[in-house]
Amino acid sequence: QSALTQPASVSGSLGQSITISCTGTSDDIGVYDYVSWYQQHPGKAPKLMIYEVSNRPSGVSNRFSGSKSGNTASLTISGLQAEDEADYYCNSYTGSSTYYVFGTGTEVTVL
Amino acid sequence: QVQLQESGPGLVKPSQTLSLTCTVSGGSISSGAYYWSWIRQHPGKGLKWIGDIYYSGSTYYNPSLKSRITISLDTSKNQFSLKLKSVTAADTAVYYCARFMITFGGGIGSGFDIWGQGTLVTVSS
Repeated sequence: QSALTQPASVSGSLGQSITISCTGTSDDIGVYDYVSWYQQHPGKAPKLMIYEVSNRPSGVSNRFSGSKSGNTASLTISGLQAEDEADYYCNSYTGSSTYYVFGTGTEVTVL
Repeated sequence: QVQLQESGPGLVKPSQTLSLTCTVSGGSISSGAYYWSWIRQHPGKGLKWIGDIYYSGSTYYNPSLKSRITISLDTSKNQFSLKLKSVTAADTAVYYCARFMITFGGGIGSGFDIWGQGTLVTVSS
């Protein structure tokens, strides 16, 4: 099972909205609503931002939202802030013996 | 609140066994609402799910590592552990333990909601 495909980098200006895509297959994102998203600052552990495609854990800003269409999941950050600059990873259940696969990761830069 | 903390040697010799322990505080590892997971990250690279264990002892492993790994738990100490045998330089990575929420009635992990700080393990002679 290969990693889910994400763009290597996405950038946006303060206050803007950006969207990070996460492309899988009909064996994972396409059939299961078990997509989660993680934010990772340098040298830190990842932080759960979205689970089950579009649910936000308690304490996560509502500027973060998730969605899915076909084999692609997306994370949108609205009202971009300096502290949003980080790496972002998606994850999905695969239903195969691989069970869970992460995305390749996206570096978000705030201009 | 629940916290996870990894512990173990930071340096392992090639061909030996990497052993890490994750201590869970502020909550019980015997909760049926979670899997307890190991994830690793090679330096400067992405995340890779290694495997999970449920409080019952059921385990789920990444097939790419399955022949070399064992995940176990000690409920009396509120800990779970990872053993990775026959390590090579390719196993050098930051290893994280994490709590994995389970979907209601589904038995599928829906999100790693709590992570340890991570521990760098270097494989070198």
